[in-house]
Amino acid sequence: QVRLQESGPRLIKPSETLSLTCSVSGGSISDYYWSWLRQPPGKGLEWIGHIYYTGRTNYSPSLKSRVTISLGTSKKQFSLILRSVTAADTAVYYCARDVEDYSGTYSWFAPWGQGTLVSVSS
Amino acid sequence: DIQMTQSPSSLSASVGDRVTITCRATQNIHDYLNWYQQKPGKAPKVLISVASILRSGVPSRFSARGSGTEFTLTISSLQPDDFATYYCQQSYTTPYTFGQGTKLDIK
Repeated sequence: QVRLQESGPRLIKPSETLSLTCSVSGGSISDYYWSWLRQPPGKGLEWIGHIYYTGRTNYSPSLKSRVTISLGTSKKQFSLILRSVTAADTAVYYCARDVEDYSGTYSWFAPWGQGTLVSVSS
Repeated sequence: DIQMTQSPSSLSASVGDRVTITCRATQNIHDYLNWYQQKPGKAPKVLISVASILRSGVPSRFSARGSGTEFTLTISSLQPDDFATYYCQQSYTTPYTFGQGTKLDIK
């Protein structure tokens, strides 16, 4: 079964760039969209954006100016870059696969990585 | 963006109770609605997709219905493992958006 694991620095300073990688095991990234989501401590979930295995991306408008999602050099990783971070970007960051139904019409997130808490503080 | 609003935001109930959580969208999302369960310190897990389809391995005490702008998730007889936070999510259009969550705890 497919498993996802986020990795990257846990503490970064304001104005710096957040960089995370999601490693996919038990399968490749082919034929799916792959998403990044986040959850500030004690708050709800926010979708950041996703990337198709071909490299096509779609970002949340609220973060689009600061976000880049890209594929890794292997077919087993994809990455998130978030520039010019502030304390408001402190959150648990999750990667997840966008699963589609057989018709390709509906989608949901499964599985998810375990999440990694990234704190922005000087 | 489509806004998703859940009610209630929190709910206290007992084992064996029947509970219902409501999710409303600010525009018609047809049946592009998913439900997730999240336990403390864990990633969310999908329970329901396409508004009412139970995902594999999810107990049959969970059910959901709705279309358009109003949706419900019902747990027919609460079990100890069900105390968690529940989120709805629309997949009708990007940006995908979630409700604020409903925290279900033990009375």
